[in-house]
Amino acid sequence: ETGVTQSPTHLIKTRGQQVTLRCSSQSGHNTVSWYQQALGQGPQFIFQYYREEENGRGNFPPRFSGLQFPNYSSELNVNALELDDSALYLCASSSPAGSSGGSYEQYFGPGTRLTVT
Amino acid sequence: AQSVTQLDSQVPVFEEAPVELRCNYSSSVSVYLFWYVQYPNQGLQLLLKYLSGSTLVKGINGFEAEFNKSQTSFHLRKPSVHISDTAEYFCAVSERYGGSQGNLIFGKGTKLSVKP
Repeated sequence: ETGVTQSPTHLIKTRGQQVTLRCSSQSGHNTVSWYQQALGQGPQFIFQYYREEENGRGNFPPRFSGLQFPNYSSELNVNALELDDSALYLCASSSPAGSSGGSYEQYFGPGTRLTVT
Repeated sequence: AQSVTQLDSQVPVFEEAPVELRCNYSSSVSVYLFWYVQYPNQGLQLLLKYLSGSTLVKGINGFEAEFNKSQTSFHLRKPSVHISDTAEYFCAVSERYGGSQGNLIFGKGTKLSVKP
């Protein structure tokens, strides 16, 4: 069984640029959630995708956007990067609650470390 | 709105000693509860979860946690820690019904440092 993978591992961008982060969900999982973990903080929920549609969003501005593809992989896009966007971005996959095997358990990838200079 | 408070930002402990990492939550609805561990430069790994049933939950690596509804707590315990338990531990909750199902609200984390 393949776990959650994320790419790239590390990324350095300049303020004002745009970035795309990628996530492949665990086999059998059709829900992907994205989290931002700033240094010394717990992860904060950005948004969740289910069946290629946004299925919930945290307190993040519209310049944070996402996509989910038919194979359930996902992208996180951030436009007009700011210094405070520097963080570890975590992707997690799960089966939806109520489905067979669904239990709200999320499986996390290793993360992408984004540094904005 | 839900929130999670981890009462200790750092917990130093000697090897083979017991440890308790404290977690309190606030929510107007029923919740599921989780503990995750994060080793340096890695993602999060699920230690254990409380969904329903017995309030004492056993997880991986010898950890256990007890759900206390009246005190809105979900403290993590291990009777004897190892050097390899050194990591950061996160308590998290998610809504039990409706809304953005499955999105987790995390505490700020507790760094467990096990000394020889």
